[in-house]
Amino acid sequence: GAVVSQHPSWVICKSGTSVKIECRSLDFQATTMFWYRQFPKQSLMLMATSNEGSKATYEQGVEKDKFLINHASLTLSTLTVTSAHPEDSSFYICSAVWAGSYEQYFGPGTRLTVT
Amino acid sequence: AQKVTQAQTEISVVEKEDVTLDCVYETRDTTYYLFWYKQPPSGELVFLIRRNSFDEQNEISGRYSWNFQKSTSSFNFTITASQVVDSAVYFCALSEAGYGGSQGNLIFGKGTKLSVKP
Repeated sequence: GAVVSQHPSWVICKSGTSVKIECRSLDFQATTMFWYRQFPKQSLMLMATSNEGSKATYEQGVEKDKFLINHASLTLSTLTVTSAHPEDSSFYICSAVWAGSYEQYFGPGTRLTVT
Repeated sequence: AQKVTQAQTEISVVEKEDVTLDCVYETRDTTYYLFWYKQPPSGELVFLIRRNSFDEQNEISGRYSWNFQKSTSSFNFTITASQVVDSAVYFCALSEAGYGGSQGNLIFGKGTKLSVKP
């Protein structure tokens, strides 16, 4: 089956710094990538949708200037958390689909801790 | 608006018991997809099943079975003869058609934490 990787799997950073999370589709071209966030003991909430060739679409309440998403190629999307704060500590998961596919493939997630 | 409700926050059973996880969804679309995922403590989502709105056939896969009823907007998940390894958080999710006809984003329920005790 299709594989999606995320890097890093976990990261600890200091408040005020920026951190970049990569999401890669390893064996298919992802026309759409989704970024979800999951706070401890809560459900996954969509942050943004990134379609190939267009800017990311952010969900209501998600600051686009704080969470920068770049769908750099059909196999790579990055999420940069700028000026991270402790409240940004969360589990970030990406998923990817290709055009016409009814399958959505999830990455293993990145656990971000901001101290 | 789309919504997924998992009314059971936590369930605790003893090994070998059967357990059913409930899922009720809301959508105005006629074409949609329903999913179940398992999330063990590691955090990685494990895909269990996908169903489209036109396929109401129930499905059985080993100890797992799913009951999809459009009339009640429910997609329930049953584990037969539960095992300790089944302990995890289980999410029901809904998606509609997305960009280019592919699958749209998933709307997740709040999850049900299942604890299976030996």
